[in-house]
Amino acid sequence: NFMLTQPHSVSESPGKTVTISCTGSSGSIASNYVQWYQQRPGSAPTTVIYEDNQRPSGVPDRFSGSIDSSSNSASLTISGLKTEDEADYYCQSYDSSNQGVFGGGTKLTVL
Amino acid sequence: QVQLVESGGGLVKPGGSLRLSCAASGFTFSDYYMSWIRQAPGKGLEWVSYISSSGSTIYYADSVKGRFTISRDNAKNSLYLQMNSLRAEDTAVYYCARGLLFGRRFDPWGQGTLVTVSS
Repeated sequence: NFMLTQPHSVSESPGKTVTISCTGSSGSIASNYVQWYQQRPGSAPTTVIYEDNQRPSGVPDRFSGSIDSSSNSASLTISGLKTEDEADYYCQSYDSSNQGVFGGGTKLTVL
Repeated sequence: QVQLVESGGGLVKPGGSLRLSCAASGFTFSDYYMSWIRQAPGKGLEWVSYISSSGSTIYYADSVKGRFTISRDNAKNSLYLQMNSLRAEDTAVYYCARGLLFGRRFDPWGQGTLVTVSS
């Protein structure tokens, strides 16, 4: 079964840049779009990146997404970190059976 | 604005049943795929099921196949999840979400409803 693997946690200081990776278990991650969701404690997830690198309206341009086919990975990069960016981040794609697949989530700490 | 409101969660014994509902507003419900996604306490997100706009195409996660049934009523702008033979591991917050890209991505999400399976 297709799986997405994320680091359990990352931390960085305010104003810095952090990158969260999402590695596909098999096939080419570039074959299907990847989304990134932000989930703050006690709230539902919201989209910060969709279709690999598209940003919804209202999401700051400090958030960007990319695909690296050589490492079969997607990445979410957040620049100019703010304390409000502290949250859990999930990557998401889908498999050949059209089943949705989520990464395990990464807890971002801004300290 | 687009709004999704889940209801129907609660405490149920193992082996029991529960029916979740999701009321949609602010968009043309019948034009969109819809999905259920769950999150066990302190755990990550798990996709559960999706249904096409007409209801003709349905997919389930292997973990719920044969026990859960997704359905929709486009006249009532509502999505449902019938959950049977519930297990302790089904304990989670259940979110409904609008499906985009033929149900392959989810936006927005409802606030979720908690299902607890315990004796």
